[in-house]
Amino acid sequence: RKEVEQDPGPFNVPEGATVAFNCTYSNSASQSFFWYRQDCRKEPKLLMSVYSSGNEDGRFTAQLNRASQYISLLIRDSKLSDSATYLCVVNQAGTALIFGKGTTLSVSS
Amino acid sequence: NAGVTQTPKFQVLKTGQSMTLQCAQDMNHEYMSWYRQDPGMGLRLIHYSVGAGITDQGEVPNGYNVSRSTTEDFPLRLLSAAPSQTSVYFCASSYEWDKGVLFFGEGSRLTVL
Repeated sequence: RKEVEQDPGPFNVPEGATVAFNCTYSNSASQSFFWYRQDCRKEPKLLMSVYSSGNEDGRFTAQLNRASQYISLLIRDSKLSDSATYLCVVNQAGTALIFGKGTTLSVSS
Repeated sequence: NAGVTQTPKFQVLKTGQSMTLQCAQDMNHEYMSWYRQDPGMGLRLIHYSVGAGITDQGEVPNGYNVSRSTTEDFPLRLLSAAPSQTSVYFCASSYEWDKGVLFFGEGSRLTVL
């Protein structure tokens, strides 16, 4: 089983739609969780950290379910500019970050 | 601020040639790392360093060497390039190595013929 698994997609949605991505992780000792965004042919950039209580940043909501070992990213009111690959990132203290392979989102007008 | 700077951005090599990918950061980050990204494989860690003089292997270290003589610089060396090393390489740095906030360079696209 891969350490961090994501549905690769692509997710094709119209503008204004709500879309959710899930990511599962295998190591129950994982302590930190993040979502990164990567535009086509660009470097990954931190989108948001994921906190135990869940957190929101504008149209983006991240949630963590430790019991089921998954994290989610919800995007409301999708914009064309949200088209990108979203990377789930996990680590435990004292180890390097583990990246998922990414979920591709395409928002169309 | 320059952040993380990688050079070159593009490189074509012949099998067996050697080269060095340069990475420099001006944020005084202790942690630096090299990833390669291949279609369908995601980002895979090659080597990392938690401070000057300290390096360690990641998931896919074979065929690559690194050194960390200064806090700012973390070059990646390919001693004898192989077609399997055709990839996009990203350098990343962070203030603390296991805290998750990585700053990436723009990437170096390497093709080995």
